[in-house]
Amino acid sequence: KQEVTQIPAALSVPEGENLVLNCSFTDSAIYNLQWFRQDPGKGLTSLLLIQSSQREQTSGRLNASLDKSSGRSTLYIAASQPGDSATYLCAVRGFKTIFGAGTRLFVKA
Amino acid sequence: NAGVTQTPKFQVLKTGQSMTLQCAQDMNHNSMYWYRQDPGMGLRLIYYSASEGTTDKGEVPNGYNVSRLNKREFSLRLESAAPSQTSVYFCASIRGQVEGETQYFGPGTRLLVL
Repeated sequence: KQEVTQIPAALSVPEGENLVLNCSFTDSAIYNLQWFRQDPGKGLTSLLLIQSSQREQTSGRLNASLDKSSGRSTLYIAASQPGDSATYLCAVRGFKTIFGAGTRLFVKA
Repeated sequence: NAGVTQTPKFQVLKTGQSMTLQCAQDMNHNSMYWYRQDPGMGLRLIYYSASEGTTDKGEVPNGYNVSRLNKREFSLRLESAAPSQTSVYFCASIRGQVEGETQYFGPGTRLLVL
């Protein structure tokens, strides 16, 4: 049974800091791994999707990596801004999609 | 192009009442999903429909039923609501079961069962 864990559960950083969010999963038989952003009281917005055959994806200040053999993905956020404050969720898609519990990020101005 | 829409946005029910949550997508996607999100937990899959005419149980199906009315619409029904079903419910859709496809989510329905 696939299990997805996100560490840390919460993170507070000053503006401008580079940061890394972690996602680990137990079953490497996946189609893809997706990172989402969720603002309070809102739905999920897709940030990056990494296919199982890929190692990383980049979008602006965001870079996500995937290491299937170790069951790990990281989301790197460069030069963080207060507008980055949100909950970040990773989702691993195999036969079904399993979500981690998320990392709540607060970027202080 | 509205993407994935959900109704209602908020609902308060009494224990034992029934209701149906509606979801529709206008992206011609084949697969649709219902998730629930509880505090401190990730989204958990309730039911999904891989294609029109098919539905399957997810991780937490007890107390729920679904109907894939047509390709666009996928509804979730609570026959006899319980306080444990207080949650935020998200509907999602995806074009197909291939590697590069992204799931698109609706804005959610916040349900409180008293």
